[in-house]
Amino acid sequence: EVQLVESGGGLVQPGGSLRLSCAASGFIVSSNYMNWVRQAPGKGLEWVSVIYSGGSTYYADSVKGRFTISRDNSKNTLYLQMNSLRAEDTAVYYCARVSAGIEDAFDIWGQGTMVTVSS
Amino acid sequence: EIVMTQSPATLSVSPGERATLSCRASQSVSSNLAWYQQKPGQAPRLLIYGASTRATGIPARFSGSGSGTEFTLTISSLQSEDFAVYYCQQYNNWWTFGQGTKVEIK
Repeated sequence: EVQLVESGGGLVQPGGSLRLSCAASGFIVSSNYMNWVRQAPGKGLEWVSVIYSGGSTYYADSVKGRFTISRDNSKNTLYLQMNSLRAEDTAVYYCARVSAGIEDAFDIWGQGTMVTVSS
Repeated sequence: EIVMTQSPATLSVSPGERATLSCRASQSVSSNLAWYQQKPGQAPRLLIYGASTRATGIPARFSGSGSGTEFTLTISSLQSEDFAVYYCQQYNNWWTFGQGTKVEIK
């Protein structure tokens, strides 16, 4: 079964750091574009970051310089390292796959992991 | 950044009726437009990509149309499981989402 499972969320103080993980099964992470998308409580969806199959990475302006996307091919897992966290980073974070054949839409999503930035 | 604007914010529809949701892009996105459904406490689910192509397993009552800057998602006969929030997303220039349309029971 094709599946994504996020972990690593929690409560962190402003200025702190957190690393999210997204374990994939049923497909190879490095063969697809992999993304992080977040959703603040009661709000809409915001694209955060992408890592292309070739390894290039890109970020939304709101997180550039603070967040780092990466992957471990041996573990078939995607990561999001979040530093210098702010209250406005509070959200459910989803990992999502772009698969060949469906253009650049997100066909598979994880269940999400909640990140709360508060003192 | 391409801004996506959805209307209406909330749509009240009776089961069995037709629902029409709109999405407008601040500049042309060609047909690089997707629609997602999200239910409370769940991740979004891909419904439509390429403005009009249904994703795998999506019922035929969901249809998408449009190109350029104006797009529409139509649900031909609303079922109980269709009451949810719907988001459009452009992927012509990175990825941006609309603010969502909540489809509620009338």
